[in-house]
Amino acid sequence: EPEVTQTPSHQVTQMGQEVILRCVPISNHLYFYWYRQILGQKVEFLVSFYNNEISEKSEIFDDQFSVERPDGSNFTLKIRSTKLEDSAMYFCASSSSTGFYEQYFGPGTRLTVT
Amino acid sequence: GNSVTQMEGPVTLSEEAFLTINCTYTATGYPSLFWYVQYPGEGLQLLLKATKADDKGSNKGFEATYRKETTSFHLEKGSVQVSDSAVYFCALSGFGRGGADGLTFGKGTHLIIQP
Repeated sequence: EPEVTQTPSHQVTQMGQEVILRCVPISNHLYFYWYRQILGQKVEFLVSFYNNEISEKSEIFDDQFSVERPDGSNFTLKIRSTKLEDSAMYFCASSSSTGFYEQYFGPGTRLTVT
Repeated sequence: GNSVTQMEGPVTLSEEAFLTINCTYTATGYPSLFWYVQYPGEGLQLLLKATKADDKGSNKGFEATYRKETTSFHLEKGSVQVSDSAVYFCALSGFGRGGADGLTFGKGTHLIIQP
């Protein structure tokens, strides 16, 4: 069964450094998403992406964040200058154009900012 | 804006007990509703969904009915197993442009089933 994959599974970085989280969505999906889950808190929507541009973004997704689909398979989230409060689990998701908003999630990348 | 409220956990039950996890929502219009499950060390998996009022989603013995009049989508299972131990998230999606709406999640309910 097709699945969303994410790399790395765990990323440790120092405050102020740039990080790139990578995702490979399900191959025939057209909509891509990033979410984050701070430890012990709810899963929060960051951004959605369709047709090579941002479709929606939350107030969390400020100028420090960016997303890109650099090729036909990868979908990346970049944090330019990490802060301690960026420490969280980051989930990528994808959905097909015909699904009723059914989103398939990857296993997540745990980002630890020290 | 949209919001989802679900019962706080942990919820601890004995095997074969009846399960209810309450979920209520606030949204404009007619959102789609979902339950996702997160097993230890894994990502979120879609458990079931309902896309309009009175729809019943079901999967693996779990059921939830979309109740517009009470804005609820409670998750139920008649007889739980130890393997059902996980965190359960209620979520909703709007009806925006082209299916690119972000999901709004509840805080999650940690379910622990004891043998």
